[in-house]
This record gives sequence, C-alpha cells and structure tokens, in this order.
Amino acid sequence: DVLMTQSPLSLPVTLGQPASISCRSSQSLVFGDGNTYLNWFQQRPGQSPRRLIYKVSNRDSGVPDRFSGSGSGTDFTLKISRVEAEDVGIYYCMQGTQWPFTFGQGTRLEIK
Amino acid sequence: QVQLVQSGAEVKEPGASVKVSCQASGYTFTDFYIHWVRQAPGQGLECMGWVNPNTGGTNYAQKFQGRVTLTRDTSITTAYMDMSGLTSDDTAVYFCMRGSHRVSVAGPVGDYWGQGTLVSVSS
Repeated sequence: DVLMTQSPLSLPVTLGQPASISCRSSQSLVFGDGNTYLNWFQQRPGQSPRRLIYKVSNRDSGVPDRFSGSGSGTDFTLKISRVEAEDVGIYYCMQGTQWPFTFGQGTRLEIK
Repeated sequence: QVQLVQSGAEVKEPGASVKVSCQASGYTFTDFYIHWVRQAPGQGLECMGWVNPNTGGTNYAQKFQGRVTLTRDTSITTAYMDMSGLTSDDTAVYFCMRGSHRVSVAGPVGDYWGQGTLVSVSS
C-alpha cells in the first residue's frame, strides 16, 4: 500500500497568518494517464470530510482562494495564505492513484 | 444537487452483522464509483472498498476482504456496505464517498460524501 506521511501533525496558527502542511507518499502518485491523483480534505469537528483540492492543485467549487495545493511525484503541500477561524479542523491528504487509496494521518489545525 | 444520504446509527453486539445504506441522488448513479471509508473514534480515515454501480464490480482493502460485502441496487440508486463478525474494533463512523467516473477507479475521488453512519459494537 502507498504510505502517506503528513507533517506536522499539529499546527497552531495565529489568525491571519499563513499555514503549510506537507504530505509525502512512499511511491510516485503519477497515474498511467499522466495525472497525479492527490487530494486534500478538511474535516471540521462532527462533520464529514470536505474535499478542498484535487489533482494536486485544483480547488473545488466554493473553496476560498486562500487554499492552494502544489507539488509533484511524491512531495505535496497544502497552503493557507491567511488562516481564518473557520479553518479549524483536521486536514488529510489522500492518494487516489493506486488501490487501496490511502490517507495521511491528518494534521490538526488550531488557532493559537 | 448531488447528495449521498446514509442510513441511521446502529448498535450491535459482538459477532453480529450490520448493513449500511447510501442513497445517491442528483446525478447518474451508474456513472461514478462509490467508496466506503471508515473512521474509528478520534482516528483517521481508512478506505475499505469500492463498488462500481454500473457493473456491480467490487474491490476491497486486504484488511476487510472476506468480512465486508459491497453491493448496489440501481433501481433505487443505493449502495450498501455489509460487515459481518463485528468486534469492538469495528466501532466507527462509516462514510460513503463518490468516486471517479466509471472509466477508471483511479481519479479525483471524494467530491461528495454521505453524512456518516455510527456503528457501535458492544455487549
């Protein structure tokens, strides 16, 4: 199985400051069609996960533009340009390239 | 609008079975895979398996092979997750998640999720 490793696991951030989460995969996530199926999800307390980013850097509809994704191959990053109170939650990267699909351990973002 | 609506919470005794449903609406049910994801209390997310609603084909993560059965009923646009031999370790919230278009299971999965179904296993 592809191992997804996130860091940090805990991320205290001051409101209005930037935040960055790293995700590394144990194998390349480039699929045979040339796409890289790396997704980012946000899970607020008591809610279902919500997808923020798909295929490394594509923002889902309704996702604020302060969220951005980047990376390639095995190394990926989610950035929040200016953290807002509503961003509190757990963030997961997830690979959809090789079955079984796998998630990172999650990064808990909290307001400092 | 696309919706995945799951059945309600379940309480089961050890050794029992549970069947969770996920009714899809707002899109062509047979066009997209349905995945099942588990989240134990205070833990992360874990993919269990998928069903192709068009063909009925399935695949399972090794951990769940032989104990989980995924099915679908296209007439009522509903997918099902059936788990047998429950233990306390199976206490978790179970989510259904829309997968990629039926061309390939690999793809940009997870644009829509069900609300989750809590399955509690206790004697």
